[in-house]
Amino acid sequence: DTEVTQTPKHLVMGMTNKKSLKCEQHMGHRAMYWYKQKAKKPPELMFVYSYEKLSINESVPSRFSPECPNSSLLNLHLHALQPEDSALYLCASSQVTGPYEQYFGPGTRLTVT
Amino acid sequence: GEDVEQSLFLSVREGDSSVINCTYTDSSSTYLYWYKQEPGAGLQLLTYIFSNMDMKQDQRLTVLLNKKDKHLSLRIADTQTGDSAIYFCAESSGSSNTGKLIFGQGTTLQVKP
Repeated sequence: DTEVTQTPKHLVMGMTNKKSLKCEQHMGHRAMYWYKQKAKKPPELMFVYSYEKLSINESVPSRFSPECPNSSLLNLHLHALQPEDSALYLCASSQVTGPYEQYFGPGTRLTVT
Repeated sequence: GEDVEQSLFLSVREGDSSVINCTYTDSSSTYLYWYKQEPGAGLQLLTYIFSNMDMKQDQRLTVLLNKKDKHLSLRIADTQTGDSAIYFCAESSGSSNTGKLIFGQGTTLQVKP
C-alpha cells in the first residue's frame, strides 16, 4: 500500500481564519513533506520532516506552521493567509530523506478569500 | 545550480507511442523519476531509474537514460486517452540527503481519439 491521505479535499478560508491541513501515511515512512503547487506549475517544496523533526524550511512565511505529532501524521496550520496563498497543497512521504521515492497524497485545494 | 527542463506540450493520436523528454544538469543525480498528474489530482509516481542504469521497462512504460548527455525520456506505448495528463520529470540529488526533488516544468500530454 503506497497511500498518502489528505484532508480536507477542498478548503475555503478568509484572511483572518485559522485552519489546518492534515496528512497521514501508514507505510512506516520516516520522512514527510509539504509542497505548494500553483496551476500548471511543478510542486514547490515547503517543509521536510525527518524522524518527526523539521529538517528543511524553504523560507516559508510564518503564516504557515507545520507540525509532525507522530511518524504517521503531518499537519500544516494556516493563519492570516493571503489570496496569493491559494493553491493545491500536497503532502508526500518517503522511506527516509535522501534519494528515495516520494509518494504523494491527492492534495488539498485551498482558496483564500 | 540544479535544473530540470522539459518541453511543455505533446499531442499524439490514440494507439501511437508518446515520447516525453527531459534534460537535467546535476551530474550527481542518483535517482530520476517520472510522475503523472491528472487534473485536480496529486502526483502519481509512474517509475524511476537509478543513474547507473540505461533503461527500465515496466509494461507500457520505457525509461531511457543517457547519463553522458544528461537526457531522460519516457516512452508510453499504445497511448490511451486515459494517459492524458501532465508528466513531471524529477531528480534527486546524490550530493545531499535532504530528500529535495528538483522538478521540471511538466509536459502536458494530449491524446486525441
